[in-house]
Amino acid sequence: GEDVEQSLFLSVREGDSSVINCTYTDSSSTYLYWYKQEPGAGLQLLTYIFSNMDMKQDQRLTVLLNKKDKHLSLRIADTQTGDSAIYFCAEKNTNAGKSTFGDGTTLTVKP
Amino acid sequence: DSGVTQTPKHLITATGQRVTLRCSPRSGDLSVYWYQQSLDQGLQFLIHYYNGEERAKGNILERFSAQQFPDLHSELNLSSLELGDSALYFCASSVGGTGANVLTFGAGSRLTVL
Repeated sequence: GEDVEQSLFLSVREGDSSVINCTYTDSSSTYLYWYKQEPGAGLQLLTYIFSNMDMKQDQRLTVLLNKKDKHLSLRIADTQTGDSAIYFCAEKNTNAGKSTFGDGTTLTVKP
Repeated sequence: DSGVTQTPKHLITATGQRVTLRCSPRSGDLSVYWYQQSLDQGLQFLIHYYNGEERAKGNILERFSAQQFPDLHSELNLSSLELGDSALYFCASSVGGTGANVLTFGAGSRLTVL
């Protein structure tokens, strides 16, 4: 079945870049997502990438996909204290409705 | 406000009881998903409905059931509650069920079983 794994914690200094990594097992994954969860709130989509892409950039966010290694990363440039949250990686294949989520990476940004 | 409404926000109940969680999807969305978020198991998919029909089932216990009504709102029923059912229950909605299918999440219902 599908499985998505992420490291649980990451701590960075304000102004540094953050890189959150994710691996997945389903070779038929077609879409890969990054969601953000702030305290007391639901998950909010940050960005997603189609599996035929290697990279997607959106302002401070850069997503890299290595399909061969089934590895996805999210880079946040110039990380701010407001970026402190839990970041979830998720995957789905094109015919399935559901997305499979990792356990989330808690990002702590220190001033 | 994401447009997905979940009630109640918080619920405290005792073991053996039954509760119903309610979700109203974002306007125009036909799909509703239920996820359980607990400390030790991350975000677990429970069930997916599309336009009133069940589309996929995940790790949903037999004590749990769900349905999606003609007005597209959904309810998740949890019965014979156990301590381990304490968790955040999220509802998410999307336009369809295939393709990129971006999910919009509600704020969650926090269930505490004592």
